[in-house]
Amino acid sequence: EPEVTQTPSHQVTQMGQEVILRCVPISNHLYFYWYRQILGQKVEFLVSFYNNEISEKSEIFDDQFSVERPDGSNFTLKIRSTKLEDSAMYFCASSNGVFNQPQHFGDGTRLSIL
Amino acid sequence: QKEVEQDPGPLSVPEGAIVSLNCTYSNSAFQYFMWYRQYSRKGPELLMYTYSSGNKEDGRFTAQVDKSSKYISLFIRDSQPSDSATYLCAMSAWSGGSNYKLTFGKGTLLTVNP
Repeated sequence: EPEVTQTPSHQVTQMGQEVILRCVPISNHLYFYWYRQILGQKVEFLVSFYNNEISEKSEIFDDQFSVERPDGSNFTLKIRSTKLEDSAMYFCASSNGVFNQPQHFGDGTRLSIL
Repeated sequence: QKEVEQDPGPLSVPEGAIVSLNCTYSNSAFQYFMWYRQYSRKGPELLMYTYSSGNKEDGRFTAQVDKSSKYISLFIRDSQPSDSATYLCAMSAWSGGSNYKLTFGKGTLLTVNP
């Protein structure tokens, strides 16, 4: 069964550094999402992406964050100047439509900021 | 009032028991309702996806939606040790454009004891 893949599984970075989290969505999907889950808290929506542009972003998704689909298969989340509170699991999701098309998630990248 | 509330448990049952997991929500605009299963160090895995009020059955799993009460449930029949995981409810409202962000409950940790 097709799946969403994310790399790396674990990323350790010094505070203030930039990180790029990578995702390969399911191949025929057109809608892409990033969520994050801080330890012990809910999964939270960050951003949705369609047709090479951001469809919606949450209050969390400020100028520190950016997303990109650099080619036909990858979808990336860049976090500039990381802070301690950016430590979380980051999940990528994709769907092949909007109506009646659920989102499928990858296994996440655990980001640890030191 | 939180948008989506879910009893975090933990819930511990013997093998073979019927499990009932529940979420309540406050946003009457929510139209799509999902249940995800999350094993430790893995991403959310879609179990059930419903749109309308009523019941939807898939094998040992039944999802129930009561929009008038803003209440959704997941029932697991003949529970197995392999069902031990965190169960997340998620829901979304159509907000126009080309996205539908998911709003999650906090998740219920279920343990099925052999």
